[in-house]
Amino acid sequence: GAGVSQSPRYKVAKRGQDVALRCDPISGHVSLFWYQQALGQGPEFLTYFQNEAQLDKSGLPSDRFFAERPEGSVSTLKIQRTQQEDSAVYLCASRDKTGGYTDTQYFGPGTRLTVL
Amino acid sequence: AQTVTQSQPEMSVQEAETVTLSCTYDTSESDYYLFWYKQPPSRQMILVIRQEAYKQQNATENRFSVNFQKAAKSFSLKISDSQLGDAAMYFCAYSSLLTGANSKLTFGKGITLSVRP
Repeated sequence: GAGVSQSPRYKVAKRGQDVALRCDPISGHVSLFWYQQALGQGPEFLTYFQNEAQLDKSGLPSDRFFAERPEGSVSTLKIQRTQQEDSAVYLCASRDKTGGYTDTQYFGPGTRLTVL
Repeated sequence: AQTVTQSQPEMSVQEAETVTLSCTYDTSESDYYLFWYKQPPSRQMILVIRQEAYKQQNATENRFSVNFQKAAKSFSLKISDSQLGDAAMYFCAYSSLLTGANSKLTFGKGITLSVRP
């Protein structure tokens, strides 16, 4: 079946603009993760959903970052009043089972956000 | 909090040769998962191999194997018979098994592997 998809693949925003990044997980996957990957660094956890419930948002760097998954499938990461330090690749990953620690997280191709 | 350290930023290997990528981690937990992920230039992160901490046997997936040293908190990846398609960034990652940890991944900074033809 189709993998995790993300859109847009590239986004350029002027400082202060709001942006919305979309993630379409693998159909039926219960768990969904967002990660932020700065240039030359490893991904860092932002937030986690189990179905529509946001169970962990400890990694969100500020209250300008907001994520939702209202119907338990597609998720949107919104960044308000973007700053230059928000420039990064934003990765989405989905996983089949909630407590299935042996289950793999499948990653999307990411959205590269550049804030000018 | 757990940390993952990859101290080698870059490595190079001749095609068909063997290369080992190093990773160390720090945790106070006794049960956890460790992973190696590959990220080619297209940026889609792909799982290479995973290791359950309670298993003494090192994981193997075709040309990829790990050397898991739990006491030393070391988790290296060996790639045998390197191929041009192995060129990518490789990330070591840790996942807690604690309830509430949600199996989020903690990544190292990554290592860029180049393969010389």
